[in-house]
Amino acid sequence: QVTLRESGPALVKPEQTLTLTCSFSGFSLSTGSMCVSWVRQPPGKALEWLALIDWGDDKYYNTSLETRLAISKDTSKNQVVLTMTNMDPMDTATYYCARTPYRSGPLPPDYWGPGILVTVSS
Amino acid sequence: EIVLTQSPATLSLSPGERATLSCRASQTVSSYVAWYQQKPGQSPRLLIYDASNRATGIPARFSGSGSGTDFTLTISSLEPEDFAVYYCQQRRAFGQGTKVEIK
Repeated sequence: QVTLRESGPALVKPEQTLTLTCSFSGFSLSTGSMCVSWVRQPPGKALEWLALIDWGDDKYYNTSLETRLAISKDTSKNQVVLTMTNMDPMDTATYYCARTPYRSGPLPPDYWGPGILVTVSS
Repeated sequence: EIVLTQSPATLSLSPGERATLSCRASQTVSSYVAWYQQKPGQSPRLLIYDASNRATGIPARFSGSGSGTDFTLTISSLEPEDFAVYYCQQRRAFGQGTKVEIK
C-alpha cells in the first residue's frame, strides 16, 4: 500500500525558510523508475508544480522558483525534503508531495499525500 | 514553457448529463496529458494518463481523448460524486481547472 504524508510548520514568518518533509511507504526511491514531486495550491487556486527528485538523485525545479527551492532525499528513511527560502505571504498554500513513476520521462503523479497548509504571516 | 488552458471555467450540469471538458496546450505535447479530479479538502485524484488511459479504479464513465495540443475529458453520465474541480496536467504544467457544479 502506497502512502505519503507531508510534515512541517503550519506557520512561517516572511523571509524565513520553509522546510517540508515527505515521508512515504509502499515504494522505494533507491530503485529505478521512481520519483517524488512537490506541488502546491494556494487557497482557492490551481495546482502549481514545484520540484521533482528521481531515483538517481537528479533534481528538477519550477523555473520561476528554482533560486528559492532545494529538494533532497534520504532513501534510508524513505523521505524527501523540500526547502523554500525567503518565504512571502504569496507562498501561502497547501503543499503536496506525490509519487511520480518514470517511463522515458516523469509520468503523472499517481499517489498524493493529504497535503499540509502553510501560512506565511508575521 | 508549456501553458495549459482549460475551458470552460465552470460547467453547470445536472446528474445524468454528459460533461465535456477541454484542455489546450500552448505547444504540441504529443499524448502526455493527464486529468485529475479534486474535491474540496482533498488531494487530487489521477483519472486519466497518456490522454486516454484510465488510472486504476477509475469508472468507465470517465474517458479522455486528444493529441497534439487539444485534449478532452468526457464524463458520460454525471454521478453526484462527480461534481468537483478537474485539472489537466502535462509534465510540469497544470491547467487552471474546470469546476463541474450542480445545475
